[in-house]
Amino acid sequence: AQKVTQAQTEISVVEKEDVTLDCVYETRDTTYYLFWYKQPPSGELVFLIRRNSFDEQNEISGRYSWNFQKSTSSFNFTITASQVVDSAVYFCALSEARGAQKLVFGQGTRLTINP
Amino acid sequence: DGGITQSPKYLFRKEGQNVTLSCEQNLNHDAMYWYRQDPGQGLRLIYYSQIVNDFQKGDIAEGYSVSREKKESFPLTVTSAQKNPTAFYLCASNSDRTNTEAFFGQGTRLTVV
Repeated sequence: AQKVTQAQTEISVVEKEDVTLDCVYETRDTTYYLFWYKQPPSGELVFLIRRNSFDEQNEISGRYSWNFQKSTSSFNFTITASQVVDSAVYFCALSEARGAQKLVFGQGTRLTINP
Repeated sequence: DGGITQSPKYLFRKEGQNVTLSCEQNLNHDAMYWYRQDPGQGLRLIYYSQIVNDFQKGDIAEGYSVSREKKESFPLTVTSAQKNPTAFYLCASNSDRTNTEAFFGQGTRLTVV
């Protein structure tokens, strides 16, 4: 069975600090996708990134970066120089690589950036 | 603009009543999904459909029903058999053919009164 664990329930930092959100996953599949979604107060989930299990290259997009380590089954997300607008709940998710994109979500991490 | 529309945003239901949540998409996506979100928990899959007139149970399908009569629409009915229906419900869709990521609607918050 697939499982995603986000051990940090809540994180609170001061603006401009760097913050890392942890994600650990379990799967027996050899090919799979990993995702990060952002949920602002409005409620909808905003897609941030998708990673194929074959691609372990780290990715950077502006202030966001992701570190995928297959050896430790982790897919961590770092926000550099955090801003108040980054405040949201962040979800890590996992899906099979084939067929329907049935997402298995972690419990989410509520991130609060204080001015 | 293309996207997924869920309605209503807030819904109140009396115990023992069935209620239907609407989900419409104009993204020409083949696959549609329903998820449930409870406080402090991640989203859990209720039902999904990859093609018109076909759908599959997810992890928590008991007490729910769906239909897929049109590609654009995937309504979810919360029946009286659902013991704890108060939750936030999110609909999503993606393209199987081009294997896009899932796009989500803005959700419906259902409260049993």
